Amino acid sequence: ILNVEQSPQSLHVQEGDSTNFTCSFPSSNFYALHWYRWETAKSPEALFVMTLNGDEKKKGRISATLNTKEGYSYLYIKGSQPEDSATYLCASYGGSQGNLIFGKGTKLSVKP
Amino acid sequence: GVTQSPTHLIKTRGQQVTLRCSSQSGHNTVSWYQQALGQGPQFIFQYYREEENGRGNFPPRFSGLQFPNDSSELNVNALELDDSALYLCASSSGLGSYEQYFGPGTRLTVT
Repeated sequence: ILNVEQSPQSLHVQEGDSTNFTCSFPSSNFYALHWYRWETAKSPEALFVMTLNGDEKKKGRISATLNTKEGYSYLYIKGSQPEDSATYLCASYGGSQGNLIFGKGTKLSVKP
Repeated sequence: GVTQSPTHLIKTRGQQVTLRCSSQSGHNTVSWYQQALGQGPQFIFQYYREEENGRGNFPPRFSGLQFPNDSSELNVNALELDDSALYLCASSSGLGSYEQYFGPGTRLTVT
């Protein structure tokens, strides 16, 4: 059974601060790592799908890195804005059953 | 996009419930997840071309259907209080496709 862990559980920052979250996952039988951004009452929105060790992806002020050998991924937000407030979920792709194995998420609150 | 109905519903313990999902156009694979309070989403099962492809650690009273028109259902019989959760469906373009697109979920409360 895969366990995906995320830290911190929650984070409160001021507008303009840069921040980062951690996702750890078992490195054996790795297929892909997903990051989702999830605002309350909306659908989880896919940010990144990463498959290769050393992958770095960027979308605007948000970027992510992947280390499959040691089993971790970092999500970075540069210059946080109030609209970045959301829960950020990471998930490891389970493979044969096609399922995603999620962490519990990091809840980010950005104060103006 | 992926849509789900209803948005919220309240049921009594022992009752049965059907939740519905409309997949993104052209997607032939749908997965259902349960998110209990304080937890990450947990995989219930996946359907591909109207057949169950994989199942998580959920009892048989959780069942599903997938229809040719890109819609699907999650049925839960003999509801228990612990079934209270947000239920998410996600569609993808086929088996082995890493990208899954989620609906906004259905909030089920069992009293």
